[in-house]
Amino acid sequence: DAGVTQSPTHLIKTRGQQVTLRCSPKSGHDTVSWYQQALGQGPQFIFQYYEEEERQRGNFPDRFSGHQFPNYSSELNVNALWLGDSALYLCASSLAQYNEQFFGPGTRLTVL
Amino acid sequence: KQEVTQIPAALSVPEGENLVLNCSFTDSAIYNLQWFRQDPGKGLTSLLLIQSSQREQTSGRLNASLDKSSGRSTLYIAASQPGDSATYLCAVNTDSSYKLIFGSGTRLLVRP
Repeated sequence: DAGVTQSPTHLIKTRGQQVTLRCSPKSGHDTVSWYQQALGQGPQFIFQYYEEEERQRGNFPDRFSGHQFPNYSSELNVNALWLGDSALYLCASSLAQYNEQFFGPGTRLTVL
Repeated sequence: KQEVTQIPAALSVPEGENLVLNCSFTDSAIYNLQWFRQDPGKGLTSLLLIQSSQREQTSGRLNASLDKSSGRSTLYIAASQPGDSATYLCAVNTDSSYKLIFGSGTRLLVRP
């Protein structure tokens, strides 16, 4: 049973660029959440997608956007990157009615 | 606003010792609480999930307790091993929200 997968593993960008991160949920899961984890901190909630709609959003600017596809996979897009966006980006999947979240290995984004 | 605190921030113990990690939260209206393990630079591995109606959950050498009224949870690790060295994070899911709110974690080192 495949768990949550994310791509790419690592990414280096420069300020002002745009980036797209991808996530495939655990088999059978229909809900995807994205989190940002700065070094030494706990993950911070960005948003959650269910039935291809953004169901809830954390305290992140509009530069952060997402999408969920009919097969439940998801993308996180960040525009106009700045140095403070450097972090580990984590994707989590769950079944809507159970809410136990399972995390992927993350994408390490470095903005220079 | 829900806030989650983990104490201590770091802990170093000799192999074989039993230990307790603490997690506190400010709003008792939680839906569930999860404990996670994170190895350096990696994603989160779910250890235990406690529903708000439960008092504790056990998995192998791990036991997690929940006291909603006092806003506390503890993770007990029996007979610690060097392989237990990692950062342990707790997170709560509130009744009115889908997001997980994390503490900053406890960094555990088990010395051989």
